[in-house]
Amino acid sequence: QKEVEQDPGPLSVPEGAIVSLNCTYSNSAFQYFMWYRQYSRKGPELLMYTYSSGNKEDGRFTAQVDKSSKYISLFIRDSQPSDSATYLCAMSVIIQGAQKLVFGQGTRLTINP
Amino acid sequence: EPEVTQTPSHQVTQMGQEVILRCVPISNHLYFYWYRQILGQKVEFLVSFYNNEISEKSEIFDDQFSVERPDGSNFTLKIRSTKLEDSAMYFCASRPWTGVNQPQHFGDGTRLSIL
Repeated sequence: QKEVEQDPGPLSVPEGAIVSLNCTYSNSAFQYFMWYRQYSRKGPELLMYTYSSGNKEDGRFTAQVDKSSKYISLFIRDSQPSDSATYLCAMSVIIQGAQKLVFGQGTRLTINP
Repeated sequence: EPEVTQTPSHQVTQMGQEVILRCVPISNHLYFYWYRQILGQKVEFLVSFYNNEISEKSEIFDDQFSVERPDGSNFTLKIRSTKLEDSAMYFCASRPWTGVNQPQHFGDGTRLSIL
């Protein structure tokens, strides 16, 4: 079983729709959960960073973590064409300050005007 | 906003040649990382670096790879004798020391093409 699984898509939705992106993981030691956005030919850009189970909201973005089910989600409300990108989930443990990230495959998202 | 910068953006090298990829992390950050992304695949961890030494490395990071912080601002990844399979995007990332609740910030990467 892969450590982190993410549906690669592609996912195409109309502008204004609510988008739901998901990842599952197998390593119960993961403590920190992140969502990065990656535009073509660019590096991963941090969107959300969470530690505990529950929801965290930032503008149109909501990150949800369910440690009991080993499942994380990112919701995008009122989606815009500029949200079109690849979304990467990532997770980690931190040992003596060092933080090795394990990434999902990435979901390619297109928002159609 | 401070950012991680990487040079060059694209490097083309003959197989067997040495290559050095350069990164300038965010200035007050103390943890440094290299990741790679082969076309169509996941971003993979290569190495983490703190206090002038490697703190963790992956199986990918074999004897052909090395990292260095030659001065107070640069962080480099050297591949000694490149192979075709080293062709990938290489991303540098950095993270501050202040507490564990701080994420990594990535540069825009160097695309390495081995011919």
